[in-house]
Amino acid sequence: QLQLQESGPRLVKPSETLSLTCTVSGGSISSSDSSWGWLRQPPGKGLEWIGNIYYSGSTSYNPSLKSRVTIFRDTSKNQFSLKLSSVTAADTAVYYCARSSPGNYRWFDPWGQGTRVTVSS
Amino acid sequence: QSALTQPRSVSGSPGQSVTISCTGTSSDVGGYNNYVSWYQQHPGKAPKFLIYDVSKRSSGVPDRFSGSRSGSTASLTISGLQAEDEADYYCCSYAGTYNFVIFGGGTKLTVL
Repeated sequence: QLQLQESGPRLVKPSETLSLTCTVSGGSISSSDSSWGWLRQPPGKGLEWIGNIYYSGSTSYNPSLKSRVTIFRDTSKNQFSLKLSSVTAADTAVYYCARSSPGNYRWFDPWGQGTRVTVSS
Repeated sequence: QSALTQPRSVSGSPGQSVTISCTGTSSDVGGYNNYVSWYQQHPGKAPKFLIYDVSKRSSGVPDRFSGSRSGSTASLTISGLQAEDEADYYCCSYAGTYNFVIFGGGTKLTVL
C-alpha cells in the first residue's frame, strides 16, 4: 500500500527558506505511472497546488509561486522535496505531498497526512 | 488565475441528495479536456480522492458519489446522504492553457 509522509521543520522565520521532504513507501517515485506533488492549505482556507515532479525529473510549478519554489528528488531514498524561499506569514499552512497522475494532474491520491508549518519570528 | 467558484456551504438530511457546483472558465473546467477531480476532507484530515475525469469514481468510492459537467460548471452529487458525508469538498481542474492546477474554494456539507 502506497504511503507518503512529510517531514521537516514546523517553524520557519520570515525571509528564510522552508524545506520539506516527502518519503514514499510502497511504490517508486521513479515509476512512469505517476508524478509527485506538493500542495498546501492555509489555516481555514482552501487547497493550493504548489508543483509536481515527474518520473523524468522535470518539474512544473504554480505560476504564483514559481519564483520561490524548487521541487527535487532523491531516487536512492525514494524521497522528493520542496524548498520555498523568502517565506512570509502568508506561507503558513499545512503542507501535503501526494502522488499524482503521470500527466495533466488528473488526480492526487493518496495524500500524506500533512505537516503544519508556521512562519514566525 | 482565480480559484474555481464553489458554494460556501450546502446541507441536506440523511437519505436526501445534494449537489455541489464548481464553476470555472473555458480555460479550465470548460476546456477541451475532462480533467476535473473532487476531494473530500474531514476536519483535521488529509483530503481523500473521490472523482476524476469529471465522472469516474476512485476505487472504493461508493456509487452514491457521482460527478458531471455542463459547460464550465462541474458538479458533485451525493445521494442517500449519510452522517459520515459531512465534510468539506473541493473541486480541482487542470488549466491546460497554463499547464496549471486550480482548486475550488471548498464547500462545507452539513448533514442535518
